[in-house]
Amino acid sequence: DIQVTQSPSSLSASVGDRVTITCRTSQGVSHALSWYQHKPGHAPTLLIYVASTLQSGVPSRFSGSGSGTDFTLTISSLQPEDVATYYCLQDYGPPLTFGGGTKVEIK
Amino acid sequence: QLQLLEPVPRLVKPSETLSLTCSVSGASFSSSDVHWAWIRQPPGKGLEWIGSISYNGRSYSSPSLKSRVILTVDTSKKQFSLNLTSVTAADTAVFYCARHVSVTAFDFWGQGRLVTVSS
Repeated sequence: DIQVTQSPSSLSASVGDRVTITCRTSQGVSHALSWYQHKPGHAPTLLIYVASTLQSGVPSRFSGSGSGTDFTLTISSLQPEDVATYYCLQDYGPPLTFGGGTKVEIK
Repeated sequence: QLQLLEPVPRLVKPSETLSLTCSVSGASFSSSDVHWAWIRQPPGKGLEWIGSISYNGRSYSSPSLKSRVILTVDTSKKQFSLNLTSVTAADTAVFYCARHVSVTAFDFWGQGRLVTVSS
C-alpha cells in the first residue's frame, strides 16, 4: 500500500500570508495526487487534480506542484474563507490513500 | 449531483450491517472513466477511502475493510450501495459518496451523513 505523509498537521497564519502544505508518498505516484478542502459540516471539495491542475471555480490563489513522491499545495495569499482542513489523496492505484490532513487557521 | 437516499440510518447496532445507497443525477453513470466511491470520516479523524465500484460492477476496496465491505451498483436506477457488515463502534463516522474519475479524482461528493454504531 502507498502511504501518504502530510505536513504540517496544523498551521496558523495571518491573512495575506503564503501557506504551503506538503504531501510525500511512500512510492512514486507520477501525478496522481489531488487536494481537497474540507470545512466542518460540509462535504470536501476538490481544489487541485493531477498534482497541479486547478479545478474549475477554485480561486487562483490555490496552486499545486510536484510529481513522483513529493507534492505541495500553496495558498498564495491566505483569506479568512480558507479556514478549513486540507487533504491530499493519491489515486495512483488501489488502495487509495489520503494524507492525514492539515488544519489551517487564521492567526 | 450525488445524494444519499433516505432514509439514511442514523444508528446501527453493533454486529449488524450498515447499508447506504447513493443516487446519481445529472452525470454520466456508465462511463468507463468513472468509479463510484465511498469515503468516511470518523469523529475527530481524517478521511478514509472505503471502496469504489464501476458501472459494470468491478469493485475494489480498502484492504482493512475488504472482508466486511460489499459494493453494488444498479445502473437502471443510477444508484450505488455500500453494505458494511459486522459493524463496531469504530465504524461510527460521517459517510460520503463521491464520483471518482480517473483524471479528476473525487470531483463530486454527496452531502455526507453521520452514522453511529451503538446499542
